[in-house]
Amino acid sequence: EIVLTQSPATLSLSPGERATLSCRASQNISTYLAWYQQKPGRAPRLLIYDVSNRATGIPARFSGSGSGTDFTLTISSLEPEDFALYYCQQRSTWYTFGQGTKLDIK
Amino acid sequence: QLQLQESGPGRVKPSETLSLTCSVSGGSISGYFWSWIRQTPGEGLEWVAYIYYTGNTNYNPSLKSRVTISLDTSKNQISLKLRTVTAADTAVYYCARGRSRWELTGFDPWGQGTPVTVSS
Repeated sequence: EIVLTQSPATLSLSPGERATLSCRASQNISTYLAWYQQKPGRAPRLLIYDVSNRATGIPARFSGSGSGTDFTLTISSLEPEDFALYYCQQRSTWYTFGQGTKLDIK
Repeated sequence: QLQLQESGPGRVKPSETLSLTCSVSGGSISGYFWSWIRQTPGEGLEWVAYIYYTGNTNYNPSLKSRVTISLDTSKNQISLKLRTVTAADTAVYYCARGRSRWELTGFDPWGQGTPVTVSS
């Protein structure tokens, strides 16, 4: 099983700041990585697929990068609605998710 | 706008079979992958299974012996059966469509989820 490790577990920032979230895979997953946002009581929402492609309706402040084993989700300037849980997910060998990074307001 | 709505029993007794249904409205189930994903506070998000509209299926190896996914195109529904449940199967179960028609590049959109508790 491919294990995805997200860091940090919690990230405390203020609106307007830049957020950088990391996801490390236990083995090479090429570019088969997606990112999701989840708010309390809601289902996850796809943000990014295949490392850097924004899903439909996702604002340009969300971007992704990386390949192989190390990946990054960047939110260029945080809006109030961006404070949530973020998960990465790989599709190289079936489908597994990271444990999540909580982005909260400082 | 495509909408997915999960339904289930809410509570199931240990050793019994859990049956869930995902009803799709605002679009057809043809042409896409359909998955079940579950979420627990302890284990996080876990992909359970997918079915392609052609009937091709794939299961999480850790659950494969107990799970069956199926679809009913006439009703626009996807179903999941999980046999011999234990407390570890307590979770919120989500139905999700694959983002694209040809590959499962991401799960989008998702239903709102249905909570399931395994308890006697």
